Amino acid sequence: EVQLVESGGDLVQPGGSLRLSCAASGFTFSSYWMSWVRQAPGKGLEWVANIKQDGSEKNYVNSVKGRFTISRDNAKNSLYLQMDSLTAEDTAVYYCARTGGPGWQKGTNWFDPWGQGTLVTVSS
Amino acid sequence: EIVLTQSPGTLSLAPGERATLSCRASQSVSNNFLAWYQQKPGQAPRLLIYGVSRRATGIPDRFTGGESGTDFTLTISRLEPEDFAVYYCQQYDTTPGTFGQGTKLEIK
Repeated sequence: EVQLVESGGDLVQPGGSLRLSCAASGFTFSSYWMSWVRQAPGKGLEWVANIKQDGSEKNYVNSVKGRFTISRDNAKNSLYLQMDSLTAEDTAVYYCARTGGPGWQKGTNWFDPWGQGTLVTVSS
Repeated sequence: EIVLTQSPGTLSLAPGERATLSCRASQSVSNNFLAWYQQKPGQAPRLLIYGVSRRATGIPDRFTGGESGTDFTLTISRLEPEDFAVYYCQQYDTTPGTFGQGTKLEIK
């Protein structure tokens, strides 16, 4: 069974940092682009970042560029999101999502499946 | 950035009825790069449709995706109780991939 399990969400003060993790299982992790997508409370979905199969290419939504860093460890089947200089606008559930099909070169793609999400709350 | 506008915001229907959800793109979405997701309260989104009309694995055939120019539709032929949820469209033609604001399908 394909499974994605996020962890690391927490309450953090404005200006603080947090690192999210996503453990993947049930598929060949190293064959897929991976993404983070977030959802603010009561709001819609927003793609945050993606990373190529070998980590050689990364893309970010403009609002997090320079503050967030996506990375992966294919040996550990894990995806990460380092979040720095957090603001209240970053408060959201963060989902890890497998992106597109195996071996695909196109990073912007559909998301399937999604993890259950981890809640990040930025507040003083 | 391609902006997707979904309508209606809320759709009230009864089980057994037919639902038609719309998603309009601010510019052309090439190569049929349009997907639909279902999200129930407290759950992660689930992929229903990709490539405008291709059903994802395990999705019942009462879900159908279509298009006409820059307008895309998700049709649910006969609503089941488990279909009442929020639905999002997403374009993945250009980066950033963008989502519509969602349509809430509620029980009438």
